[in-house]
Amino acid sequence: AQSVTQPDIHITVSEGASLELRCNYSYGATPYLFWYVQSPGQGLQLLLKYFSGDTLVQGIKGFEAEFKRSQSSFNLRKPSVHWSDAAEYFCAVGAGIGGANNLFFGTGTRLTVIP
Amino acid sequence: EPEVTQTPSHQVTQMGQEVILRCVPISNHLYFYWYRQILGQKVEFLVSFYNNEISEKSEIFDDQFSVERPDGSNFTLKIRSTKLEDSAMYFCASRSRGTEAFFGQGTRLTVV
Repeated sequence: AQSVTQPDIHITVSEGASLELRCNYSYGATPYLFWYVQSPGQGLQLLLKYFSGDTLVQGIKGFEAEFKRSQSSFNLRKPSVHWSDAAEYFCAVGAGIGGANNLFFGTGTRLTVIP
Repeated sequence: EPEVTQTPSHQVTQMGQEVILRCVPISNHLYFYWYRQILGQKVEFLVSFYNNEISEKSEIFDDQFSVERPDGSNFTLKIRSTKLEDSAMYFCASRSRGTEAFFGQGTRLTVV
């Protein structure tokens, strides 16, 4: 069965500092992996996705993520955090063809950015 | 940029009442989804819909839930007799073949 674990419920970083949000997944086949961001009162916005190919994927807003099959991980990184990055971040694994037949989400990591 | 739109943004209903949540998917998309997020919990898959029928549903999606695509543009989620535990944010999503899902802003349902 598919599952996603985000071990960090809440992370606080200083503006300008680097960021890494952890994500581990469990899936029986080749995973399709996603990171979504949810700002307060907003919907889910796709940051980036991994379907195949290069294991380091670039996304919007300066985010990147690296797929590591041996560690079943898909950690999200950003070299320098901005105050506007404060939000809830969700990692998800997709089932089905194209990886988006339905998505299994992690519990999310809330990011707080301090000046 | 095309987007998935959901109405209303917030719905308050009394326990036992029927509620319909509405979504307008992106126009050329073929696959449609409903997800929900109970406050403080993760986003959970409810149902997927393709070619005018349900393609997959979770155990959450019991007989109280139904989905419909009544015309070429709308995609609705109906809860027949709401319970307190149905209070959640409900997200609609759509995608075309081979792409990721695009999510709407969500409808916050409060059952009182």
